[in-house]
Amino acid sequence: TQLLEQSPQFLSIQEGENLTVYCNSSSVFSSLQWYRQEPGEGPVLLVTVVTGGEVKKLKRLTFQFGDARKDSSLHITAAQPGDTGLYLCALADQTGANNLFFGTGTRLTVIP
Amino acid sequence: EPEVTQTPSHQVTQMGQEVILRCVPISNHLYFYWYRQILGQKVEFLVSFYNNEISEKSEIFDDQFSVERPDGSNFTLKIRSTKLEDSAMYFCASSGTGPLNTGELFFGEGSRLTVL
Repeated sequence: TQLLEQSPQFLSIQEGENLTVYCNSSSVFSSLQWYRQEPGEGPVLLVTVVTGGEVKKLKRLTFQFGDARKDSSLHITAAQPGDTGLYLCALADQTGANNLFFGTGTRLTVIP
Repeated sequence: EPEVTQTPSHQVTQMGQEVILRCVPISNHLYFYWYRQILGQKVEFLVSFYNNEISEKSEIFDDQFSVERPDGSNFTLKIRSTKLEDSAMYFCASSGTGPLNTGELFFGEGSRLTVL
């Protein structure tokens, strides 16, 4: 199983600030997904990145896939309290089984 | 919008008791999963199910765990004899094409299991 480390583990910021969270893998992966989990709910897909160097934007969220496809970042501009949640990166098991493994997560709190 | 539904939302049980958690995946999906999340910790893979059999299971998914898709719509997780450390939120998920094909996993809202 590939190891996915996310940093920081916890992040607490004021409304309106920008932030970046990171996801790093021990090996190359073919694609990576970012999910967001709100308290008491299951994870919800935000984006899938496939190509090295790819950048995807989702409103105030910008996702980047590293050139070497071993890392990814999520940048949030002008954070809002509604952005509060657990941000998870996840990758498909490369052994052939069609499974998804999650990173350690970044718990974001945006203070009004 | 189709969604994955899970029951019960919360179950409290005594150590050693059997528990069955139920899930109704999205109807045309082919891949089914159980994950668990201990309070404050990461989302951990338990088992995947495809074509009426287990595709893969993690080391957490020992002989005390089993899954079934008894009637083509429900997907159940059974814990035969619960332990204190089984206390967690259990999430069911389903996917049409699976993550290897960049398919999205759709998660239910979870079943919180508390073992006393």
